[in-house]
Amino acid sequence: EAQVTQNPRYLITVTGKKLTVTCSQNMNHEYMSWYRQDPGLGLRQIYYSMNVEVTDKGDVPEGYKVSRKEKRNFPLILESPSPNQTSLYFCASSIQGANYGYTFGSGTRLTVV
Amino acid sequence: DAKTTQPNSMESNEEEPVHLPCNHSTISGTDYIHWYRQLPSQGPEYVIHGLTSNVNNRMASLAIAEDRKSSTLILHRATLRDAAVYYCILKGAGGTSYGKLTFGQGTILTVHP
Repeated sequence: EAQVTQNPRYLITVTGKKLTVTCSQNMNHEYMSWYRQDPGLGLRQIYYSMNVEVTDKGDVPEGYKVSRKEKRNFPLILESPSPNQTSLYFCASSIQGANYGYTFGSGTRLTVV
Repeated sequence: DAKTTQPNSMESNEEEPVHLPCNHSTISGTDYIHWYRQLPSQGPEYVIHGLTSNVNNRMASLAIAEDRKSSTLILHRATLRDAAVYYCILKGAGGTSYGKLTFGQGTILTVHP
């Protein structure tokens, strides 16, 4: 089944403890992206990647890092999480180009205390 | 990024058609019109997209105005499972908006039994 898989689904952590949220897709998509969703602010793009070793900042990149060493994986790294990064995170992938839809993962609910 | 305007909420009865409007008066010639929906506690789900011509798929139809400044998502027979937030988004084909989905607040669709 074509899908985007995120792990974990739920995570509670403490301020400053480094964490990684994994994202993997099995559709050979070039384009991958991370979004966060917050009440009243909607979905905002954090980082995106057009292909292996090509990443760029989205609208809210502060406090996050990403890497794209393989086409299928696009992990989101929080080096020193803070409470304002408590949010619902979604990974998405797409074939390159505007004429293709995105496939989203099921989400990771992160709480930083 | 070109913006879209949607009503905050709409209501429908089960088994009736639903027409969800979207205005995008600043759309550029290369922007595709995408629609996604998000069910409670799930990631956004691709519904349909188009450029100039009307489009149909198994989920919905997309009617695009001749001047492309507005579009309408049509659910032919609403079911309770169609209750969701519907997002109309312009996906850029070039420049800084390449491949990016910028989500607005969307339309909350309520379906009554």
